[in-house]
Amino acid sequence: QKEVEQDPGPLSVPEGAIVSLNCTYSNSAFQYFMWYRQYSRKGPELLMYTYSSGNKEDGRFTAQVDKSSKYISLFIRDSQPSDSATYLCAMSTGNQFYFGTGTSLTVIP
Amino acid sequence: DVKVTQSSRYLVKRTGEKVFLECVQDMDHENMFWYRQDPGLGLRLIYFSYDVKMKEKGDIPEGYSVSREKKERFSLILESASTNQTSMYLCASTYSGIPYNEQFFGPGTRLTVL
Repeated sequence: QKEVEQDPGPLSVPEGAIVSLNCTYSNSAFQYFMWYRQYSRKGPELLMYTYSSGNKEDGRFTAQVDKSSKYISLFIRDSQPSDSATYLCAMSTGNQFYFGTGTSLTVIP
Repeated sequence: DVKVTQSSRYLVKRTGEKVFLECVQDMDHENMFWYRQDPGLGLRLIYFSYDVKMKEKGDIPEGYSVSREKKERFSLILESASTNQTSMYLCASTYSGIPYNEQFFGPGTRLTVL
C-alpha cells in the first residue's frame, strides 16, 4: 500500500465551478499536510499547508485535514482557467516527506 | 525572491553516457533533494542531503549518485545512462528547522536517454 494515494484524474470543470481534490494516507505519524500546484513544464510550488487537523482558508482555496479518517482535501471556489495545473498533495512526519501522484485539473472558460 | 535553479531544462543523452545534473539554491538551505517525476508514479525521491558532503539514499537510488561539495550546490550523476532513466528530474531545497514543510523546487530538467 502506498503511503499517499491521490486520484490522478484528469478533472475537467467549467469556469466558476467548485473543485474538490482529495488524498488519503496510511501513516498516522504524518503531521504536516501540504498542497503543491505544478504548471506544465514547471516545478511544483507550495499552495497551502496545514499542521495537524482542521481547515485553512486562503482566498479561493480551502485545505481540510481529517486525521481520524486519514483524508485531506483541497477546495477551489470560483475556479478560473489560470487554476489549470496538476495539484499534488504532500505529507510529512517532520523527517520524511511523501507526495501524491498529482491530479490534473483543467478549468474550461 | 527565493530561487532554485537547474543547469538545463532539456537534455538528450545516449545510453552509456555519464550525465551530470546540477542544482543551485540561493536560500542558504541545509537540505537538498533530487526527485524524478514520471506519469502515474508521481515524485520519487532519489537522494537527499542535509549538509555539505552528507548524502542519504531515497527510495530509488540505484543507477544514481550525488555530490554536495558546497552548501548551495547539489549534483545528481547518472554513471551510465539507460533508457529507463528518461524522466523529469526535479531538485528541491528546504530549511532544517521545524516545521519541515515547504520544499522549494527548481524548474526541472527533462532528460531523454536514447
